[in-house]
Amino acid sequence: NAGVTQTPKFRVLKTGQSMTLLCAQDMNHEYMYWYRQDPGMGLRLIHYSVGEGTTAKGEVPDGYNVSRLKKQNFLLGLESAAPSQTSVYFCASRSDRTGGIYEQYFGPGTRLTVT
Amino acid sequence: AQSVTQLDSQVPVFEEAPVELRCNYSSSVSVYLFWYVQYPNQGLQLLLKYLSGSTLVKGINGFEAEFNKSQTSFHLRKPSVHISDTAEYFCAVNAFSGGYNKLIFGAGTRLAVHP
Repeated sequence: NAGVTQTPKFRVLKTGQSMTLLCAQDMNHEYMYWYRQDPGMGLRLIHYSVGEGTTAKGEVPDGYNVSRLKKQNFLLGLESAAPSQTSVYFCASRSDRTGGIYEQYFGPGTRLTVT
Repeated sequence: AQSVTQLDSQVPVFEEAPVELRCNYSSSVSVYLFWYVQYPNQGLQLLLKYLSGSTLVKGINGFEAEFNKSQTSFHLRKPSVHISDTAEYFCAVNAFSGGYNKLIFGAGTRLAVHP
C-alpha cells in the first residue's frame, strides 16, 4: 500500500514549456486534489476531483488543467509554464465514506522550477 | 467564508521545553479542524483532528490541541519537544463550498527545536 505517489519529484522547465504532473493513489479514494505550496502562503487548492471523469476549479486554477480519466490517477498539466508557477505541488486524496470524509492523505510533493 | 490564521510564522524553542502553536479560525457554521505536520522535503501528515465530542484532542507524537469555540481557536501543544519535532505545522479547517468539502489551510508555523 503506497498511499499517494507523485511523479516526478523534481523538474526544471523553461518559460513556455509544458509538462504533466502525475498523482496516483491506491486507496480507492473518490476525491483527489492538487495544491501548490508557496512560502508564507500555506497550501492553496488548484483543482480537485470528486470522482472519475469529473474535475472542478479550486482557489488558483489559472494556467493549469487537470484530468481524471481513471479513479486512481489525477493529472495536473501546465500548457505554457511561467516563472510564477515555480512552487511545490502536492496531490492529496480522501475517502467519501462517513468515517474518513474529512481526512486528506498527501503525496510527497513535486518541486517545480520555471526559469 | 472560512479562513485560518496561524499567529506565528516561526517558533524557536529549546529541546524539552513546552510549545504552543496558535491557530484561529473564522467560520459561521460547524467546524472540523486539523493540524498537519510537514517534515523537511516531505508531504503533509495528519497530526490530529477535531470533528466533534471532547474539546481536547490527542494526536500522534505527543501533540494535543484544544478546540475553543468561544475564542474560535485550535491551538496545538506539546509539553516537551524533541529535536525531531522540527518541522512546519499547518492548521486547517474544513470548508463546504460549491457543494463539496475542501480544506482551507493556514500559512504555516515553522517550529525550530534547538539543543
